[in-house]
Amino acid sequence: AQSVTQPDIHITVSEGASLELRCNYSYGATPYLFWYVQSPGQGLQLLLKYFSGDTLVQGIKGFEAEFKRSQSSFNLRKPSVHWSDAAEYFCAVGMNAGGTSYGKLTFGQGTILTVHP
Amino acid sequence: DTGVSQDPRHKITKRGQNVTFRCDPISEHNRLYWYRQTLGQGPEFLTYFQNEAQLEKSRLLSDRFSAERPKGSFSTLEIQRTEQGDSAMYLCASSLVGGPQHFGDGTRLSIL
Repeated sequence: AQSVTQPDIHITVSEGASLELRCNYSYGATPYLFWYVQSPGQGLQLLLKYFSGDTLVQGIKGFEAEFKRSQSSFNLRKPSVHWSDAAEYFCAVGMNAGGTSYGKLTFGQGTILTVHP
Repeated sequence: DTGVSQDPRHKITKRGQNVTFRCDPISEHNRLYWYRQTLGQGPEFLTYFQNEAQLEKSRLLSDRFSAERPKGSFSTLEIQRTEQGDSAMYLCASSLVGGPQHFGDGTRLSIL
């Protein structure tokens, strides 16, 4: 069965500092990988996705992530954090369901990001 | 651009009552997913549809839970005889086949 681990439950950074959120997955084949962000009481907003091709993917709000097959990782990065980035971040993996399709997502437990002024 | 819409946003009910939630997906999306999220956890898969067909249902989903998507558009999730452990945020997402899932703002269920 697929699984996702986000080792850091809570990360605090200063505004303007760089950010890296870690994500490791367990899955036998090439996964579909996602990062979502959630503000309190809200749903999840898609930041970026990896399906195939270039292993460095760009997303919205200045975020990027790199797929490293050898490390089973998909870490999220941002060079300069803004106060509005404070939220909870979820990494998710989708299992290949044949062809170019995937089905359900399996999520990590999330990382809460606090940004200090 | 109309996103995924869920109704109600918040439901408070007494233990033992039945509740029903509705999800309206993005109009051209043929897949619709239901997830449950408890405090401090990531969303957990419940079930999903492609058009009106229910393709997968989590083994964690008890018989008290049922979901439908009768015309391949909106979906309902019903919980019968609610229990304290059902208190959670219920999230709906939709997608095209092979595309990314887009989430609604969820329905928060509180059991008294």
